[in-house]
Amino acid sequence: AQSVTQLDSHVSVSEGTPVLLRCNYSSSYSPSLFWYVQHPNKGLQLLLKYTSAATLVKGINGFEAEFKKSETSFHLTKPSAHMSDAAEYFCVPDNNAGNMLTFGGGTRLMVKP
Amino acid sequence: DAGVIQSPRHEVTEMGQEVTLRCKPISGHDYLFWYRQTMMRGLELLIYFNNNVPIDDSGMPEDRFSAKMPNASFSTLKIQPSEPRDSAVYFCASRRGGNTEAFFGQGTRLTVV
Repeated sequence: AQSVTQLDSHVSVSEGTPVLLRCNYSSSYSPSLFWYVQHPNKGLQLLLKYTSAATLVKGINGFEAEFKKSETSFHLTKPSAHMSDAAEYFCVPDNNAGNMLTFGGGTRLMVKP
Repeated sequence: DAGVIQSPRHEVTEMGQEVTLRCKPISGHDYLFWYRQTMMRGLELLIYFNNNVPIDDSGMPEDRFSAKMPNASFSTLKIQPSEPRDSAVYFCASRRGGNTEAFFGQGTRLTVV
């Protein structure tokens, strides 16, 4: 089964600076991976997904992620943080065996003015 | 499509009462998920259905919890009797299948007093 580790439970950046949210996966084969975002008191929304079509995946709101097999990583990045990016971010593996989506602890992104 | 629709958005009930949460998935989606989110435990998968059939209910915490999906457009999550520790935000999500996006409802905030 696939699993992921989000290396930081909290990340704080200043507005206008780059964002890096780290995610490492553990799998013997290339997984399908998603990044979801949850703004305060809201449901979850898909940012982007990797399904082996392309290693660099562009998502909504200027976010992107690069799948690196050699590093077993799928880090989420954005060149310039905006106050509205403050939210909880989840890196989620797709369980191909059962089509479940299991969420880990997430990373809380704080953006300082 | 209006997306995944959950009702009610907020529910306050007294301990011992029965609570029923409702979900209408997106039309054409074969999978439906129920999640519970708390500060302590994060986002937990309770149960999921495929084509209206429960596939994995290992996340259901106790026999007080039950879920049904009588048809492709409706599901319920019932707690009977409710307890204060059941207070959480409950999310419903649906998707077509593997490698596809799961769409989340806005959640039901349950408070048991």
